[in-house]
Amino acid sequence: RKEVEQDPGPFNVPEGATVAFNCTYSNSASQSFFWYRQDCRKEPKLLMSVYSSGNEDGRFTAQLNRASQYISLLIRDSKLSDSATYLCVVTYTGNTPLVFGKGTRLSVIA
Amino acid sequence: ETGVTQSPTHLIKTRGQQVTLRCSSQSGHNTVSWYQQALGQGPQFIFQYYREEENGRGNFPPRFSGLQFPNYSSELNVNALELDDSALYLCASSFSSGTRYNEQFFGPGTRLTVL
Repeated sequence: RKEVEQDPGPFNVPEGATVAFNCTYSNSASQSFFWYRQDCRKEPKLLMSVYSSGNEDGRFTAQLNRASQYISLLIRDSKLSDSATYLCVVTYTGNTPLVFGKGTRLSVIA
Repeated sequence: ETGVTQSPTHLIKTRGQQVTLRCSSQSGHNTVSWYQQALGQGPQFIFQYYREEENGRGNFPPRFSGLQFPNYSSELNVNALELDDSALYLCASSFSSGTRYNEQFFGPGTRLTVL
């Protein structure tokens, strides 16, 4: 079983749609959780950190459920510019390596 | 931009050859991590260097080796290249300070093709 598993995708949605990505992690010692965005043939970039209390950044909402070892990302009012691959990422303490999921590709269609 | 640079941007090699990839970390950072991203996959951790010492290694064979220099820049060397080594190689720069997590900033990557 992979450490971080994501919805296989791809997701093709019309502009203005709401889309949700799901992710589970297997190591209960995981301490820090993130969503990264990766555009085609570019490096991953941090989209947002994920906290147990949930956090929101504009149209993006991230949730963490430690008991279920589950992370989610909700994008409301999708824009064409949201088209990218979304990577679920966990890490442990300090400067330990990032553990990435396979990523879920999102295409927002006009 | 993150201030992390990598060279070269693209590289084509043949099986059995050796390759060296380079990474310049962001100013003030003391740690470099290397990741391999195969097509359609998430990045996989290769190894990390902290203050010129290897500080953790993923599930990669010994033909993957590295260095970190006093200015904290880093090299990734791969010997005896195999077709499956074709991937995007990413380096990430960060500042290590005990147990607190500090964001890793990625460079643009080097795309390696092995023929």
